[in-house]
Parts: sequence; C-alpha cells; structure tokens
Amino acid sequence: AQSVTQLDSHVSVSEGTPVLLRCNYSSSYSPSLFWYVQHPNKGLQLLLKYTSAATLVKGINGFEAEFKKSETSFHLTKPSAHMSDAAEYFCVVTANTPLVFGKGTRLSVIA
Amino acid sequence: DAGITQSPRYKITETGRQVTLMCHQTWSHSYMFWYRQDLGHGLRLIYYSAAADITDKGEVPDGYVVSRSKTENFPLTLESATRSQTSVYFCASSLTQREPYNEQFFGPGTRLTVL
Repeated sequence: AQSVTQLDSHVSVSEGTPVLLRCNYSSSYSPSLFWYVQHPNKGLQLLLKYTSAATLVKGINGFEAEFKKSETSFHLTKPSAHMSDAAEYFCVVTANTPLVFGKGTRLSVIA
Repeated sequence: DAGITQSPRYKITETGRQVTLMCHQTWSHSYMFWYRQDLGHGLRLIYYSAAADITDKGEVPDGYVVSRSKTENFPLTLESATRSQTSVYFCASSLTQREPYNEQFFGPGTRLTVL
C-alpha cells in the first residue's frame, strides 16, 4: 500500500525567498512520485515527476524536488518565490496503482 | 487540442435527485478516474476505469455509479444525491498506470452543491 504525508498544511514565504514544501511517502514497491499544483478555482497541473531515473527532478516554473529513498522524502523546492506561485500543492505517490494524494499544502507568497 | 473536459462546470441540485457529471477526453487514454475534493481531505478517488467496460472502486465509491461504454467518456452518476456529496469533482485520465506514462491529466472540475 502507498501513503503520503505532507508535513505542513500551510506555508507562508516572502516574495523572492526560498520555498520548501515537505513530503514523506510510504510504498511497498518502488514508487513514482509527483507534485501537482492547483491554483484557485482551477484544475490540477503536473509540476514534476520522479520515475526511478535521476533523483533530482526539475519541473516547470523553476521548481525541483529530490527523491531521498533513505529518508522516504520527496520535498519540493524553489530558490525564489514569485507571487504567481501562491497555490495549493499536492504530493502524490503511486506504484502501478491509482494515485494516492497527500492532503495538500497551501503556499502563500507575501509581497 | 481539447484535452479533457467536464460538464457541467457548476451544478445545484436537491437531495434525492439523480445527477450525472460528464467527462470526455480526446487523447484515447486507457485509464480514466473520478475524484472528489473536500477541504481537509485532498483528493479522494471515487472510481476508475482501465478501459471501456472495465471499472473499479476507489476509496469512496458509495452513492456513486460509473459506466464506460466508450474509451473517451466516463460519466459519474449520483443516483440519489445527498448533502454530503456537495464537493468539487475532478475527472482525470492517463495513458497507463506504469512508468513512465502514468501521470494523470485533470479536467477543470465540476462544483456540485446539493441542497
């Protein structure tokens, strides 16, 4: 079985400062991991995905995530936050099964 | 490039009524999914389908019915709507459930209110 824990329900950063959204996962098998973003009143958009290739994954809009098997983590980072990054972020795990979503982290960006 | 569409985008109905939410994708993806999104719960899987005429239950299937007679369509029916089914419903599709083509593409959502 798979599960995901997003360690923060809400993160607030100032514009231009780094972003860190934390995600821990549990999986019986070698997992695929994703980060999706949801802007207000919109659908979900794929930010990036890890599929057993490089452990450092680069996504859209300057986001990246590092897969750390020893820590069972897949944290999302961005060096410098922009106002347009304000959204809900979901960490997702799968292992040839339907996706399992974390409960989400709401990112606020303060001008 | 229509992608994946949902209709209606907004729906208000009354307790006990039957409601059908439509989902259509133009990519010929094998897999299609229905989720509901509620505050504090993230997205929860209702039903999914691996191909036409093949469906399976997800985490929260009670009170919902699905069918998939054509690959491109995956309607979700609430047979007798209840207030607890007030939610935002998302449809998604994917080529497979195996790497590297297992990412899901989401529709814009349907906001359903049951009075």
